[in-house]
Amino acid sequence: DQQVKQNSPSLSVQEGRISILNCDYTNSMFDYFLWYKKYPAEGPTFLISISSIKDKNEDGRFTVFLNKSAKHLSLHIVPSQPGDSAVYFCAASRWSNYKLTFGKGTLLTVNP
Amino acid sequence: DTAVSQTPKYLVTQMGNDKSIKCEQNLGHDTMYWYKQDSKKFLKIMFSYNNKELIINETVPNRFSPKSPDKAHLNLHINSLELGDSAVYFCASSQDSESDSPLHFGNGTRLTVT
Repeated sequence: DQQVKQNSPSLSVQEGRISILNCDYTNSMFDYFLWYKKYPAEGPTFLISISSIKDKNEDGRFTVFLNKSAKHLSLHIVPSQPGDSAVYFCAASRWSNYKLTFGKGTLLTVNP
Repeated sequence: DTAVSQTPKYLVTQMGNDKSIKCEQNLGHDTMYWYKQDSKKFLKIMFSYNNKELIINETVPNRFSPKSPDKAHLNLHINSLELGDSAVYFCASSQDSESDSPLHFGNGTRLTVT
């Protein structure tokens, strides 16, 4: 029972363009969402988060959008850089119960 | 000065053996976790300790036993290893157990059971 789904296993974009990574969730009790980035042979590193009281959060080149009615969130990276090439994990939790549920990840490749 | 370090990085062992994975964090965090990434690439929580107290214990076989000697360490001991235990195990820590404390992960331990 996948409560957090990342339906695109991979995404390839050109350097300088926008990367859009998508995530859907099924559990309406989730109210906190995060994106993690993972390089090979390393652990995931926290990128950006958003709580359900917001619909947008921005940090430099990274913006996360949340559409609660559609149970959908997306991560926008603008402009994309080759160093952004990694696996991106979407994760969700209930605020009162810090137990993250992760998606399977999307491999982003940014081509020079 | 690695923030969350776990050892060993690779562990190859035979079925039926007992093994341990160690984790240490130097971030001064109160909460530590063990996550498992299986062959389907899902990262799933196994355990969480807050100030040495177990706060999350997912449906994990009793063969897995976490031990937290102090809040900077969380070790994972696995008895009677099975083929299905092969996975990458990630240790993580966070400032506390509240949702706005991002997890800091170690680099993982790849366990292969033959």
